[in-house]
Amino acid sequence: DIVMTQSPDSLAVSLGERATINCKSSQTVLYNSNNKNYLGWYQQKPGQPPKLLIYWASTRESGVPDRFSGSGSGTDFTLTISSLQAEDVAVYYCQQYYSTPITFGQGTRLEIK
Amino acid sequence: QVQLVESGGGLVKPGGSLRLSCAASGFTFSDSYMTWIRQAPGKGLEWVSYISSRSSYTNYAASVRGRFTISRDDAKNSLYLQMNSLRVDDTAVYYCARERELDTAMAPFDYWGQGALVTVSS
Repeated sequence: DIVMTQSPDSLAVSLGERATINCKSSQTVLYNSNNKNYLGWYQQKPGQPPKLLIYWASTRESGVPDRFSGSGSGTDFTLTISSLQAEDVAVYYCQQYYSTPITFGQGTRLEIK
Repeated sequence: QVQLVESGGGLVKPGGSLRLSCAASGFTFSDSYMTWIRQAPGKGLEWVSYISSRSSYTNYAASVRGRFTISRDDAKNSLYLQMNSLRVDDTAVYYCARERELDTAMAPFDYWGQGALVTVSS
C-alpha cells in the first residue's frame, strides 16, 4: 500500500497570509507513460463531504479559486493557499489514485491565527 | 446538476448486516466508475470499494474484503453497499463518490454525497 504522510498535522495562518501543506507518498505516484502524477487534494469543512480542489497534482478543479495551487512530482507534493480567507478554514487531505488501495493522508487542520 | 444521495444508514449490532444505497442523478451513471469511502467519527478518510461501469470490475479495501459487496443498478441509477458481519470499527459516515474520469478507477473523486452514518454497537 502507498502510505501518504502530510505535514504539519495542524496549521494556523493569519488572514491574507500564505498557507502551505505538504504531502509525501511512500512510493512514486508519477505514471511514466503519461507523465502524470496521480495525486489529488481535497478540502473538508465540518459536517460536509470532502471537496476536490486539485487533481493530477496541479490542475485546479472547475470553480476552485485561483488562490489554491498544487505542485510537486514523484513523491513530494505541496498545496498552497496564496492568501488565506476565512472560508478556507477546513481539514485538507491529499490522496493518491495511482494504485489500489487508494489512500489518503491523515489530514491537515487549517485555522486562522 | 450532479447529485448523489445516500440512504440506509443506522444502528446495527455487531455481526449484523446493513445495505447502503446511493441514488445518482444529473449525469450518465452507467458510464461512471463509482466508489464508497468512509470516515470514522473524528478521523480521516478511508477508501472502501469501487465498481467499474457495467459492473465489470470491483475492488475492496483489505479491511472489508469478504464482508462487504458493492453493486450497481444502472437502470435505477443506483449504487449499493451490502455490509455483512459488521464490526464496531466499521462505525463511520459512508460516502458514495464519482470517479472524475470515465473508464478508469485511477482518478480523483469529483462529486460526493452527503454521507450515511452507520453505527455498529451493542
